[in-house]
Amino acid sequence: QLQLQESGPGLVKPSETLSLTCTVSGGSISSSSYYWGWIRQPPGKGLEWIGSIYYSGSTYYNPSLKSRVTISVDTSKNQFSLKLSSVTAADTAVYYCARLRRRGYYMDVWGKGTTVTVSS
Amino acid sequence: QSALTQPRSVSGSPGQSVTISCTGTSSDVGGYNYVSWYQQHPGKAPKLMIYDVSKRPSGVPDRFSGSKSGNTASLTISGLQAEDEADYYCCSYAGSYTVFGGGTKLTVL
Repeated sequence: QLQLQESGPGLVKPSETLSLTCTVSGGSISSSSYYWGWIRQPPGKGLEWIGSIYYSGSTYYNPSLKSRVTISVDTSKNQFSLKLSSVTAADTAVYYCARLRRRGYYMDVWGKGTTVTVSS
Repeated sequence: QSALTQPRSVSGSPGQSVTISCTGTSSDVGGYNYVSWYQQHPGKAPKLMIYDVSKRPSGVPDRFSGSKSGNTASLTISGLQAEDEADYYCCSYAGSYTVFGGGTKLTVL
């Protein structure tokens, strides 16, 4: 059964770069049927799609975050990663990684999420 | 891009039916049959309930159904049960990116 696990620092200072990794187990990240994505949820607020990546490296970003976001993939480690630069308190959120069906663009498997707080 | 518009809250009694709307534009909901719905209980990750407007993943009860008309998609939950109380989010492909609705809190009275 496919599982996704987010990992990374739970505390990031303002103006620094947030870095998270999602490890995929129970399946291959190199499948042609899926994208791999990041979604976040600020405390008490709704979901926000951050971006997605295909195993080949093609990326798709939320236009409102595009200037600060980089998503990369490491097929040898079955992992993909998120970097969000110049963070502020507004970037404090639970960050989820998820598998997206390439046809339909829906998220059918989610990680449990990891909380990232931006504070000095 | 703007988030899709959902009512902030809906409620219903056990056994009743409720419908949650999700309004977008011709660039997202109206332009593609790629609307999905997610259920989220407090402190938990979202769970896929509907994809491709009206399809149910394996294991999702047939009490959950989806539809779309123009720029508005809808999730209907019939035969409400206590465990259906949760937040629900719609989501649509928008041609190179994905956009969520603001979320709807369903209260089972």
